[in-house]
Amino acid sequence: GENVEQHPSTLSVQEGDSAVIKCTYSDSASNYFPWYKQELGKGPQLIIDIRSNVGEKKDQRIAVTLNKTAKHFSLHITETQPEDSAVYFCAASKSRGAGGTSYGKLTFGQGTILTVHP
Amino acid sequence: GAVVSQHPSWVICKSGTSVKIECRSLDFQATTMFWYRQFPKQSLMLMATSNEGSKATYEQGVEKDKFLINHASLTLSTLTVTSAHPEDSSFYICSAGGNSYEQYFGPGTRLTVT
Repeated sequence: GENVEQHPSTLSVQEGDSAVIKCTYSDSASNYFPWYKQELGKGPQLIIDIRSNVGEKKDQRIAVTLNKTAKHFSLHITETQPEDSAVYFCAASKSRGAGGTSYGKLTFGQGTILTVHP
Repeated sequence: GAVVSQHPSWVICKSGTSVKIECRSLDFQATTMFWYRQFPKQSLMLMATSNEGSKATYEQGVEKDKFLINHASLTLSTLTVTSAHPEDSSFYICSAGGNSYEQYFGPGTRLTVT
């Protein structure tokens, strides 16, 4: 089955700095890579995702890059703010069903505790 | 994004009793719902996948007779923890998806078995 490795496990940055979290996956058939932010005691919140037909996607201060050849993808947060402090999870899945429009099970990375110091 | 709710948000029960957790997709029809368990400071572990109107598919090592899942409609799935024991204490999270890649997660249910 799929295996997702996530690094680092903890990341501490100063407000305004950038933060980068990296994940690698094992199944070359995986084609959907979401990132989730989880605050203490809450469920994960989808913050950005990327499909295997693109190499990069950006949404304001957040960007994700995907290297299919190397089977790794990364989350980039620029101009970090204290409210970005949370646990971030990467995940991977592959589509199932006709037309690639449905989706399969998510395999999660181990999580990264991001702390942004004011 | 889509909204998924869970009820209750937390529950305390005595060992040996059963607890039911509800997961609802509020603004879209969820053809598939997933149930996860998360222990403190750990990642999410998938327990089972349920498709509306059919039996759930359980992950290896998850007891289907202990964790009963029902997905009777496109907006509601339930997880019943039967004969709960202290080791079942955990954070249970559901997610829901429609006909796209995205999965949207509920806020989670904290179960404590005393």
